[in-house]
Amino acid sequence: GNSVTQMEGPVTLSEEAFLTINCTYTATGYPSLFWYVQYPGEGLQLLLKATKADDKGSNKGFEATYRKETTSFHLEKGSVQVSDSAVYFCALSERYGGSQGNLIFGKGTKLSVKP
Amino acid sequence: NAGVTQTPKFRILKIGQSMTLQCTQDMNHNYMYWYRQDPGMGLKLIYYSVGAGITDKGEVPNGYNVSRSTTEDFPLRLELAAPSQTSVYFCASGTSGYNEQFFGPGTRLTVL
Repeated sequence: GNSVTQMEGPVTLSEEAFLTINCTYTATGYPSLFWYVQYPGEGLQLLLKATKADDKGSNKGFEATYRKETTSFHLEKGSVQVSDSAVYFCALSERYGGSQGNLIFGKGTKLSVKP
Repeated sequence: NAGVTQTPKFRILKIGQSMTLQCTQDMNHNYMYWYRQDPGMGLKLIYYSVGAGITDKGEVPNGYNVSRSTTEDFPLRLELAAPSQTSVYFCASGTSGYNEQFFGPGTRLTVL
């Protein structure tokens, strides 16, 4: 079945450091890929998305490129801020197939950024 | 627009009690979802609905029920609460099954 695997956390970085959170997926067809962010005490918010191979999603300085050959969608940011401290979830949605288009989430990666 | 709203924010239940978690969206989305989030486990889909009058089970439906009488509302019913249902519950909505979903702020439920 479809699945998403993301790197284990927590990840602790200093302000202005480079961030990479790895995400790989297994899907039977051509999924859409998402990164969601959850700030403490809040619900999930869409951070960025990509709907086909080689698409790059970007928002708030974060980027991720849909790599079909490596089945990956790694999240990157060149210079993190304290306000980026949150839990980040990678997810996929497949238009056709057994999941019937529902979102499949990874387990989440907690990021803490120190001043 | 308020987006997706959920009530209550917090609730403590005793074993065997019942309750309904409310979810309302004002974006006219056909698709609505209920998830539970357990620590370190990501989100698991409980039930979903593709439109008023249509609901279906997700990955972890046991112990829950839903109804969808209107486009806006998608309540989640817990019958005979058990400690295993202690979790944070999120409602979400979307325009289709493969586009992004919009999440409510969550309900933190503790069953003692």
